[in-house]
Formats: sequence, structure tokens, C-alpha cells
Amino acid sequence: DTAVSQTPKYLVTQMGNDKSIKCEQNLGHDTMYWYKQDSKKFLKIMFSYNNKELIINETVPNRFSPKSPDKAHLNLHINSLELGDSAVYFCASSPLAGLSYNEQFFGPGTRLTVL
Amino acid sequence: QQQVKQSPQSLIVQKGGISIINCAYENTAFDYFPWYQQFPGKGPALLIAIRPDVSEKKEGRFTISFNKSAKQFSLHIMDSQPGDSATYFCAAIKLGAGSYQLTFGKGTKLSVIP
Repeated sequence: DTAVSQTPKYLVTQMGNDKSIKCEQNLGHDTMYWYKQDSKKFLKIMFSYNNKELIINETVPNRFSPKSPDKAHLNLHINSLELGDSAVYFCASSPLAGLSYNEQFFGPGTRLTVL
Repeated sequence: QQQVKQSPQSLIVQKGGISIINCAYENTAFDYFPWYQQFPGKGPALLIAIRPDVSEKKEGRFTISFNKSAKQFSLHIMDSQPGDSATYFCAAIKLGAGSYQLTFGKGTKLSVIP
């Protein structure tokens, strides 16, 4: 079974639309993340949630709103989509962070194309 | 501003050769330095990681060399194989209560040719 899963895998939509990407992890991890990978493959963190609480919120337009209904799920809702939002979005999870390093496990990604 | 600089952007190595990817960082407060491997259409996966108080770590054909005074670290892939062809990302982590943040380099696309 896939440890970190995302749906959909591909998303093609028009500018101005609102869309959501869903992420689920079955690893029992406490922390989940959203990353954006642009066309040049650069990976940048967007958000991090720990036990449903927002921990990291990088400089991301407020059109992006993460929602964590429980610690196994972290969804990303995007309002008023723009051309520049086209990218691959990765969800990741890790055990509770603290003073020791715990590996982050990444999902397969969602390729968003805004036309 | 980019805190982790990675080079080269792309690398072509003959099968059996050594692949070397370099990274430099700016923030001395980083706690861990992992390397991630990403195949096309897949998410990144942890390859190997090192703490700043260790100068070298080896796992199979993969070795991280770490130079704390120079704020540099590198990934060496010995006996490179076509199956190693992927994009490699170095990263740096600052640990903190509740969560931590991976700051990635821009990636190196490695192609191992037979």
C-alpha cells in the first residue's frame, strides 16, 4: 500500500478556477507538508502541519489554503488559479519532529496545469 | 535568497565512473544534511543523510563528505549505474519543536550512460 498518496495525479484547469488536492498518509506520522516543484525542478516548502496545527507557513499567496481534518490528511485548496500556479505539488509526512532528524516521506505528486 | 547552492545542474557520467555533486550552505544553524533522489514522475526519496559533526558517511555506493568549516558537502556515487540516472537534491534541515523545514538545492540531473 502507498504510504503517502495524493489525488488527483494530474489536474488541468482554467485560470480563475478553484481546485483542491488531497493527501493522505497511512504511516501514523504526526507531521505533514506541502511542497511546490516548479518547471526548473526547484522544490520549496509551502506549509507544514503537526497534529492538525499549522506550523510552517512560507510566503505563499493567501489563495492557497491548507486544511487538515485529521493528522492523516492534509488537503490543499487553491482559489482563483493563476498561470504561475502551474507546478507539481508534493505532499510529505514525517514522524513528530523535535531534536532528532526523522525522514520525510514524499507522495507521488500532483501535476497542476493552469491554462 | 537561496540558502543551499548545488552544482552542477546536470552531469553525464560513464557507467562505472564516479558521480560527484556538490552543495554549499549559508546558514550555520542547520542540523542535518540529507540527499534526496527523484526519478521522473515520482516524489523525492531519502538517499542518505549526515549530521554536521560527522565528516563522512557511506552507505553502499553512496558517500557524503562534509566540510563544516567550508560549509560544503558533497555526494559521491561510486561505480555509477544507468539505474542511478535521476535528479539528486541536497538539502539542509533546521530542527525545531513540532516540525522542521527542508531547504533544498536546485537539483542535479544525473545521466549515467552505458
